[in-house]
Amino acid sequence: AQSVTQPDIHITVSEGASLELRCNYSYGATPYLFWYVQSPGQGLQLLLKYFSGDTLVQGIKGFEAEFKRSQSSFNLRKPSVHWSDAAEYFCAVGGYNKLIFGAGTRLAVHP
Amino acid sequence: EADIYQTPRYLVIGTGKKITLECSQTMGHDKMYWYQQDPGMELHLIHYSYGVNSTEKGDLSSESTVSRIRTEHFPLTLESARPSHTSQYLCASSAIAGGRGEQFFGPGTRLTVL
Repeated sequence: AQSVTQPDIHITVSEGASLELRCNYSYGATPYLFWYVQSPGQGLQLLLKYFSGDTLVQGIKGFEAEFKRSQSSFNLRKPSVHWSDAAEYFCAVGGYNKLIFGAGTRLAVHP
Repeated sequence: EADIYQTPRYLVIGTGKKITLECSQTMGHDKMYWYQQDPGMELHLIHYSYGVNSTEKGDLSSESTVSRIRTEHFPLTLESARPSHTSQYLCASSAIAGGRGEQFFGPGTRLTVL
């Protein structure tokens, strides 16, 4: 069955520190992979996506993610976190007729 | 500016009332979706449409219904609201069907049924 697992429900980092949010997926074919961010009271905004080609993809707001087929992972990274990055982050895999979302990781940023 | 709109943003209503959540997009997209999101949980697809007069149920069983009479408009209706319907409802649209394309999301409607 298709599924997405985000092992970390809640992560706290200090401003300026590096960040990695984990995402593992289960999908039979070559996946389409997405990372979305949701600020409080808002909808989801796409950070980046992977369809094919270079396994390291760059997104908006300084985020990047690396697709590792052998590990079925698509982890999101940022070298230096800003206070405005505090939000909920969702990983998703694109199936035949829908997106399948993980449960999300809530990021808190300490000043 | 191309965007996707949802109204109302917040709704508190009593049990048994009929409600309609509005979703409109100026993206020019054929594909539209409704998701239900509970706090701390993943999004669940409840309805989708690939064009005018086309609607399908998603993975999560829902007592709501949808219609697609105009390309830009995809309203969701609950005939008789119950406390179990309390949730956030997110509308999205895309140019490409299903999981192959980026979906653009509205700001959501947070529904509370007393």
